[in-house]
Amino acid sequence: GQNIDQPTEMTATEGAIVQINCTYQTSGFNGLFWYQQHAGEAPTFLSYNVLDGLEEKGRFSSFLSRSKGYSYLLLKELQMKDSASYLCAVREDSNYQLIWGAGTKLIIKP
Amino acid sequence: DSGVTQTPKHLITATGQRVTLRCSPRSGDLSVYWYQQSLDQGLQFLIQYYNGEERAKGNILERFSAQQFPDLHSELNLSSLELGDSALYFCASSVGGGESSPLHFGNGTRLTVT
Repeated sequence: GQNIDQPTEMTATEGAIVQINCTYQTSGFNGLFWYQQHAGEAPTFLSYNVLDGLEEKGRFSSFLSRSKGYSYLLLKELQMKDSASYLCAVREDSNYQLIWGAGTKLIIKP
Repeated sequence: DSGVTQTPKHLITATGQRVTLRCSPRSGDLSVYWYQQSLDQGLQFLIQYYNGEERAKGNILERFSAQQFPDLHSELNLSSLELGDSALYFCASSVGGGESSPLHFGNGTRLTVT
């Protein structure tokens, strides 16, 4: 079946580093997306991985291992504005549809 | 600003009523997606249109329907509304029908059914 697992909630300290994990089991694979969503707002696109390895974008990096069905989002130099939910979504190759995780709520403390 | 426009921002209506939510995709995007997000819940995929044709269907109730017009804007119609339909409804658009292009989301319509 199709399944995406993310931790429900994580807490980190301002200025620190946090890693949010995502594991998936889907019918095929054609890319993995990370989105950020502040409460009551629209999800915004952060990163896309389709090949194994690390993609870096400023303070945010995303890693993918297709053989392990695993990805993580790494946030460095945490700021209070990073408090949000982080959604992992996998695109299947059978029908190109996105399968969404339930999201990880990240709480940043001073 | 994602470039995706949704109207109205807020909608309050009574049970049993019918409402229409509107979405204009980003310029150049051919696909439109509709999602429902209840309070503190994940995104629930409802339906996707690509260049005017229905491309994929998710967990969309029979009371709900959608369409994409020739100018690529889309409307989501919700009828016989129930209290449980209260949610944020997001529209998203992408360039293609489902390749590597990310989805860009509008700011949503918050529907309250009383």
